[in-house]
Amino acid sequence: EVQLVQSGAEVKKPGESLKISCKGSGYTFTNYWIGWVRQMPGKGLEWMGIIYPGDSDKRYSQSFQGQVTISADKSISTAYLQWSSLKASDTAIYYCARQPGIVVVGASDAFDIWGQGTMVTVSS
Amino acid sequence: DIQMTQSPSTLSASVGDRVTITCRASQSISSWLAWYQQKPGKAPKLLIYKASSLESGVPSRFSGSGSGTEFTLTISSLQPDDFATYYCQQYNTYWTFGQGTKVEIK
Repeated sequence: EVQLVQSGAEVKKPGESLKISCKGSGYTFTNYWIGWVRQMPGKGLEWMGIIYPGDSDKRYSQSFQGQVTISADKSISTAYLQWSSLKASDTAIYYCARQPGIVVVGASDAFDIWGQGTMVTVSS
Repeated sequence: DIQMTQSPSTLSASVGDRVTITCRASQSISSWLAWYQQKPGKAPKLLIYKASSLESGVPSRFSGSGSGTEFTLTISSLQPDDFATYYCQQYNTYWTFGQGTKVEIK
């Protein structure tokens, strides 16, 4: 079965660092891009960035550039999303999702497989 | 950046109703549009890609149409399992979601 399994819920204080994970299985992890999507409480979906685990090529949404870091360890089929200094406004559910296409204008694809989500709560 | 606007934001309907949700892009995205369904506490699920292609395993009562800047998602006969929030997403240039349409019980 093709699936993405994310790490568990986190409760952090403002200013702390955090790294959450997304492990792929049931397919060749290095052949598909993995994107990250934020959903703030009661709100919609926002694309944050995307990484190709095969060579760690990555892109960021302008809204999230410099705010988070996306990485991957292809040896363990895992992608990561990390913060160096969390803010209360980072409280949200974070989803990883697989993108089967390439990342070129007019040639990308929708997100076909999603992780179950990781709830991150930042509160003093 | 390409902006996506869905309407309506909320839709009240009954089982058996035909339901249509509209999504407009701020510039042409050809047919690079997807529709997702999200239920409370769950991850989004891909329903439609490339504007009108049905994802494997998705019931045929779901259909999509449109190209350029205007798109629709239609549920031909609403079922109890369909009460959820629906999002459109463009993937012509990176990825942008609409704000969502909540389909609730009338």
